[in-house]
Amino acid sequence: SQQGEEDPQALSIQEGENATMNCSYKTSINNLQWYRQNSGRGLVHLILIRSNEREKHSGRLRVTLDTSKKSSSLLITASRAADTASYFCATDASEETSGSRLTFGEGTQLTVNP
Amino acid sequence: NAGVTQTPKFQVLKTGQSMTLQCAQDMNHEYMSWYRQDPGMGLRLIHYSVGAGITDQGEVPNGYNVSRSTTEDFPLRLLSAAPSQTSVYFCASSYWQRFGSNSPLHFGNGTRLTVT
Repeated sequence: SQQGEEDPQALSIQEGENATMNCSYKTSINNLQWYRQNSGRGLVHLILIRSNEREKHSGRLRVTLDTSKKSSSLLITASRAADTASYFCATDASEETSGSRLTFGEGTQLTVNP
Repeated sequence: NAGVTQTPKFQVLKTGQSMTLQCAQDMNHEYMSWYRQDPGMGLRLIHYSVGAGITDQGEVPNGYNVSRSTTEDFPLRLLSAAPSQTSVYFCASSYWQRFGSNSPLHFGNGTRLTVT
């Protein structure tokens, strides 16, 4: 069963606009990670937020984590056509061996129109 | 530094055939894993390993075998391919420590497998 669920499934915006993607999960986690996948390629790690963190920034990316609601959001500011990709959240809920069993959601397909 | 290398990139099998998907990493990562990606289902963990000689099952292990004889290599074997195993397979690796690794996964570019 999927631990993380992304919302929306697809998002289409214009260049320069902000893009927000949400992820909900079911169980307690050690950390939550966001990955990006360009068409026909492997996933690339974007950002990791630990369960005791509430917000994290990396360049144009901002990730928030609300453990009480079991949800996270990824904000991409000032989007570019090159940001067009699928974005996945992944949760690490391993109890003893953290990092052994990342569970991925189904992803959000982001299209940024020039 | 090549990262995670998967071969082959594409493969077509007939039902019942066997094959091995290769995965190698040159980052000295302890943790390696195999995922399959299907439309509408995200990535699902097949098998993983936290070091040479150690493997464990993931969410969907049936029909697949793995071994980890070296730190660098983690091959995935399909003993008798079935159409349900048509998918894109990704190998991923990371650093790992017991009780709190928090290391990101590094992915290969995938093997696209079709079983007819």
